[in-house]
Amino acid sequence: DTEVTQTPKHLVMGMTNKKSLKCEQHMGHRAMYWYKQKAKKPPELMFVYSYEKLSINESVPSRFSPECPNSSLLNLHLHALQPEDSALYLCASSQEITRQQYFGPGTRLTVT
Amino acid sequence: GIQVEQSPPDLILQEGANSTLRCNFSDSVNNLQWFHQNPWGQLINLFYIPSGTKQNGRLSATTVATERYSLLYISSSQTTDSGVYFCAPTDSGTYKYIFGTGTRLKVLA
Repeated sequence: DTEVTQTPKHLVMGMTNKKSLKCEQHMGHRAMYWYKQKAKKPPELMFVYSYEKLSINESVPSRFSPECPNSSLLNLHLHALQPEDSALYLCASSQEITRQQYFGPGTRLTVT
Repeated sequence: GIQVEQSPPDLILQEGANSTLRCNFSDSVNNLQWFHQNPWGQLINLFYIPSGTKQNGRLSATTVATERYSLLYISSSQTTDSGVYFCAPTDSGTYKYIFGTGTRLKVLA
C-alpha cells in the first residue's frame, strides 16, 4: 500500500472558524510533511515531522498548528485564517527525511 | 538556500512527440525527485534519482549532481502526460526538498 490519504477533499471555512485537516499513511514511514500550494506555484514546505517530533517549521503563522498523534497520522489545525490562506494543502510521507516522498491528493481550502 | 530553476516554463507538444525537461540547481544536493502534478492536483513521484540514469517505461531521468542539473525525458508523449512537472532536490545543508518552478506541459491529440 503506497497510499497517503487526506480528508476532507474540499473545505470552506470562515475567518472565525476552527477546522482540522487530516492525513494518514500506513507505509511505516517515519517522516511526514505539510505543504501549501497556491495556484500556478510550486508546493511550499510548511512543517516536517520526523519520528513524531516536529523537525522543521518554516516560520508558519501560529494560526496553523500541526500535530502528529502517532506515526501514521498527521493533523493540521486551522483557526482564524485569512482569505490569502486559501490554497491546496498537501500532505506527504517518506521512509526518512530526504528519502522518496509520497503525496496525498490534497485538501482544497477556501477561506471566506 | 538552494535555488532551483526549470526549463522550459511551458511546452506544447503533439501526441507522439519527444521532449526533454531540464532542472538546474545552484548548490550541491543529496537527493533529487521528479514529480508530475495532474490537473486535479495530485503529485505523482516519477523518479527518486540523486545521481545516474533511471528509466520507467516512456520516461527516463538523468542527474549529474557534480554539474548541478537533472533532465527528464518523455518519449512518445500522450495526452495523459499533460500537467506540471516539478523537480525537487534536497538542500544539502537543511535536508529539505526544494521544489523548482515547474514545467507546464500540454500534449495535443
